[in-house]
Formats: sequence, C-alpha cells, structure tokens
Amino acid sequence: SQQGEEDPQALSIQEGENATMNCSYKTSINNLQWYRQNSGRGLVHLILIRSNEREKHSGRLRVTLDTSKKSSSLLITASRAADTASYFCATDGSGTYKYIFGTGTRLKVLA
Amino acid sequence: NAGVTQTPKFQVLKTGQSMTLQCAQDMNHEYMSWYRQDPGMGLRLIHYSVGAGITDQGEVPNGYNVSRSTTEDFPLRLLSAAPSQTSVYFCASSYVPADYEQYFGPGTRLTVT
Repeated sequence: SQQGEEDPQALSIQEGENATMNCSYKTSINNLQWYRQNSGRGLVHLILIRSNEREKHSGRLRVTLDTSKKSSSLLITASRAADTASYFCATDGSGTYKYIFGTGTRLKVLA
Repeated sequence: NAGVTQTPKFQVLKTGQSMTLQCAQDMNHEYMSWYRQDPGMGLRLIHYSVGAGITDQGEVPNGYNVSRSTTEDFPLRLLSAAPSQTSVYFCASSYVPADYEQYFGPGTRLTVT
C-alpha cells in the first residue's frame, strides 16, 4: 500500500492546549495537503504546502514540511471543542493526480 | 453553488447486484475522483478523471467502472457487488493542476450483504 502514516492515531487534549499530529509519506511530492473530517462527513480542506516550502500558517494552523524525511506536521494552537475531528494528510503523487491519504489522527478536544 | 453532490446517501445491495453511485459538481472543475474509506483507514483512490472523456485508475480500481461524458458528472459503477465493497464512498473535485484543494461530497454509505 502507498498509504501514508499518521501519528498519533488518536489524541485527546484539553481545550486551550495545542495539538500536534505528524504525517509520513512514501513517494516524492509536489505538494502536501491537510484535511479535516467531522464524524461521518466529507473532508474539508485546511491547508496546502508546496514541496519548496518549509512552513505555512493559516489562522491557528501551522504546517511544516521536511521533504528529506518525507514528513509533515500539523499544529493546531489554542484548540477548541469544535476542533474535535479526524485529520488527514494527502500527497499528490508528484503531480500525477493520484492522491494518497494518510491513515488519519482522531483528535478529541475536551471542554 | 451546491458544490459536490452525491446520491444516494445510503444503499444496501445483495452480493452480485450492480449499481451506480452518482456524483455531480457545479464548480466547473476539471478534476474529479472517487475514494473509498474503510473503518479506521484513510481514503483510497479508486478512479479519477482530469477532464471529460479522460479517466484513469487509482490505487483500488478492481470491481469499479467510471466514465466522464460531461465536466459536471462522474458516476461510479459497481459491476457485481461483493461484501468487500462495503464502505463509505466519497467523490471529490478540484481545478487542475494538482495544487488546488479538493472539494468533497457528503459520501455514500454502501453495505453489501
């Protein structure tokens, strides 16, 4: 399988704390994307980072990319109960359009 | 804009039956794709299309057929349903090239008995 791996598989934190999740992938990439999935629903795009970028911010989200290690991390700062969801990374198969998703991190934010 | 729509929301099939999952988008996206999501796993790409008349296989294409006759629609056909195809199916679309976000439909939950 080409699926990427994410860790941890599950994460439980208190509201206001930061949440960090990591993604490792196997193939070369043009870009890496992070998505959120609320229970039983479709995925929602959060942020895209290109292979020549090392860090990107969007609101409370910070994404880093290390192409030498084939890994990325997503940091959510000052988490809220509404951030409770599953988070997936996805790589673009080096521009082949054959997107490969990670196995996901289930985040639970306790109020 | 309705975005990406999928029908039906739920479906139960018997082994050997065939059916078509419908997907439509109204954003004039060239790229459309089908994924399946099994419990505890991420999404796996079944088939994708980069424009009308152009389709290609993803990671898990066996047992599924697609066609793309219009920009808006990308139906997924199950030829002879098997219990292993019990899953949640998501359709997605985006602009090309592949550095645009994908927009996902709400999913179809399929059970094959």
